[in-house]
Amino acid sequence: DTEVTQTPKHLVMGMTNKKSLKCEQHMGHRAMYWYKQKAKKPPELMFVYSYEKLSINESVPSRFSPECPNSSLLNLHLHALQPEDSALYLCASSQDQSAYEQYFGPGTRLTVT
Amino acid sequence: GQNIDQPTEMTATEGAIVQINCTYQTSGFNGLFWYQQHAGEAPTFLSYNVLDGLEEKGRFSSFLSRSKGYSYLLLKELQMKDSASYLCAVRERQAGTALIFGKGTTLSVSS
Repeated sequence: DTEVTQTPKHLVMGMTNKKSLKCEQHMGHRAMYWYKQKAKKPPELMFVYSYEKLSINESVPSRFSPECPNSSLLNLHLHALQPEDSALYLCASSQDQSAYEQYFGPGTRLTVT
Repeated sequence: GQNIDQPTEMTATEGAIVQINCTYQTSGFNGLFWYQQHAGEAPTFLSYNVLDGLEEKGRFSSFLSRSKGYSYLLLKELQMKDSASYLCAVRERQAGTALIFGKGTTLSVSS
């Protein structure tokens, strides 16, 4: 199984809603990542988890809250988002933080209204 | 900090060869990556270079010159399905970092 899955595929939420994005991999990878990608722009790193601990937070606003409940799961909790947060949110995983190949999930397309 | 530069758009015809260049400025270089991303889909890994030279993988090859801060991705025998965005990405530090992506090059292959 070389797949990273993400749910939901699409999400529309209001600015007062609370929602969560989920990411799962069963490749035994110990590093997991959240990226944000706006239309026609490259992915931008948000968070890195290594061995279930937050390793990197790229100065992401607190309305985005990551969580890694176990080595296979990565969540991104969303609260009080702004319309400019609308984007494709990509999850990725790698063997560990030094491994060169990252496997990306299909992404969740988020629209904030 | 880092600066990664690649052309915004390129066009080519089926069967041709195309070279997509990437220049970078970074501290603590630890690898350069090329990813392919079709519209609306996730990026997929194409290649990785950490030492100078050419890495060949089927129709795709990637070259790196660390002293020049330069890489290219070479695509041979182009097919229509190669129409996609090609992302150059750099990893800066030995550990504790992920990928920093360039803006991507949109390649359009026509018949």
